[in-house]
Amino acid sequence: GESVGLHLPTLSVQEGDNSIINCAYSNSASDYFIWYKQESGKGPQFIIDIRSNMDKRQGQRVTVLLNKTVKHLSLQIAATQPGDSAVYFCAEKRTGANSKLTFGKGITLSVRP
Amino acid sequence: DGGITQSPKYLFRKEGQNVTLSCEQNLNHDAMYWYRQDPGQGLRLIYYSQIVNDFQKGDIAEGYSVSREKKESFPLTVTSAQKNPTAFYLCASSIPGNTEAFFGQGTRLTVV
Repeated sequence: GESVGLHLPTLSVQEGDNSIINCAYSNSASDYFIWYKQESGKGPQFIIDIRSNMDKRQGQRVTVLLNKTVKHLSLQIAATQPGDSAVYFCAEKRTGANSKLTFGKGITLSVRP
Repeated sequence: DGGITQSPKYLFRKEGQNVTLSCEQNLNHDAMYWYRQDPGQGLRLIYYSQIVNDFQKGDIAEGYSVSREKKESFPLTVTSAQKNPTAFYLCASSIPGNTEAFFGQGTRLTVV
């Protein structure tokens, strides 16, 4: 697969533990903050998003937290599984004309059996 | 099956040659994007298009060109002006304004 995870920060967790992946963003004007997951050799896949006027949103086994005061976004994965091993990207988007999706650098999550 | 297709998966070119990467989608999405991904880096936006016959430069457009003559297609040309073209290129599409973008499998371009 593609070696896109090389040299990225790595988070190593034990299978079954909870994972917390953090991201600092820069654009306070973004309307949405989003998490994507990229498995080896594949394109990124959408996980969950959160609107800028919210501070928490839950999905299936995942929770996204937004702290606008310190411009911090986190993704919590409950009961981490081997299939969660991937590179995780935070992204941000403004709505409106010519809106674009801007990605952060990514973090590699490695799940130990 | 609906989806977004990039071809080819691997592409080799000699330095100084232009090369065009294909991206086709049958999701009926108006918005399409091209990103470049290098080891240890995130996805950097090259060009994006919100509607047919219109496109905008992203953060690293220099040395690249695009066209959007059809809704389904958004080809990217890597020109000889791009100083470091070897990279993994990803195409995506979405409904404009939506946060969920659908990505292709990527094209690995190697320039020798």
